[in-house]
Amino acid sequence: NAGVTQTPKFQVLKTGQSMTLQCAQDMNHEYMSWYRQDPGMGLRLIHYSVGAGITDQGEVPNGYNVSRSTTEDFPLRLLSAAPSQTSVYFCASFPAGRQGGEKLFFGSGTQLSVL
Amino acid sequence: GDSVTQMEGPVTLSEEAFLTINCTYTATGYPSLFWYVQYPGEGLQLLLKATKADDKGSNKGFEATYRKETTSFHLEKGSVQVSDSAVYFCALYSGSARQLTFGSGTQLTVLP
Repeated sequence: NAGVTQTPKFQVLKTGQSMTLQCAQDMNHEYMSWYRQDPGMGLRLIHYSVGAGITDQGEVPNGYNVSRSTTEDFPLRLLSAAPSQTSVYFCASFPAGRQGGEKLFFGSGTQLSVL
Repeated sequence: GDSVTQMEGPVTLSEEAFLTINCTYTATGYPSLFWYVQYPGEGLQLLLKATKADDKGSNKGFEATYRKETTSFHLEKGSVQVSDSAVYFCALYSGSARQLTFGSGTQLTVLP
């Protein structure tokens, strides 16, 4: 029972580099989301998807790109990394429906440092 | 838009003390309310939930009651343990927004 799998667990980038954070779920959940967690700011929504081929912006989308070509995968791309993107990133998934929030599953997180 | 305001931390208590972490929300419609817990180095886990007014969610000795009149969902535990040390997040799910909105989190440390 894999749940939500995030890779890598740790990453160090130089300013201007690009990279992709991977997220995969095996529960056939319609909804997937990316959050970043910063001290004192809780979790802020970056991008989300309500199904394959459908994505939308969250609260803090600038500097990030997403796509959802399959139900299982929802990669997050940093186009040109900046120090302000140093954070812990969490991927989450849950099924559609009003009670979906109670079945939210989180990945274990990616700690990203941009120098 | 939807928002969740959570009690500022960090909170430090002695073992067996009473815990309250305040949470208030702003939302349109009738959101579901949740408390999530994050242990060091891990992702968030659902602690308890309430889906309508006056519902009480409970789990592992923690309780929270959905108060529509005060738009609140305060987390309580009668006697905390060292193992309860973690970050606690209040959150709401609105069907219209189709996403969870989280509070800023409260760091709880319980000393033996």
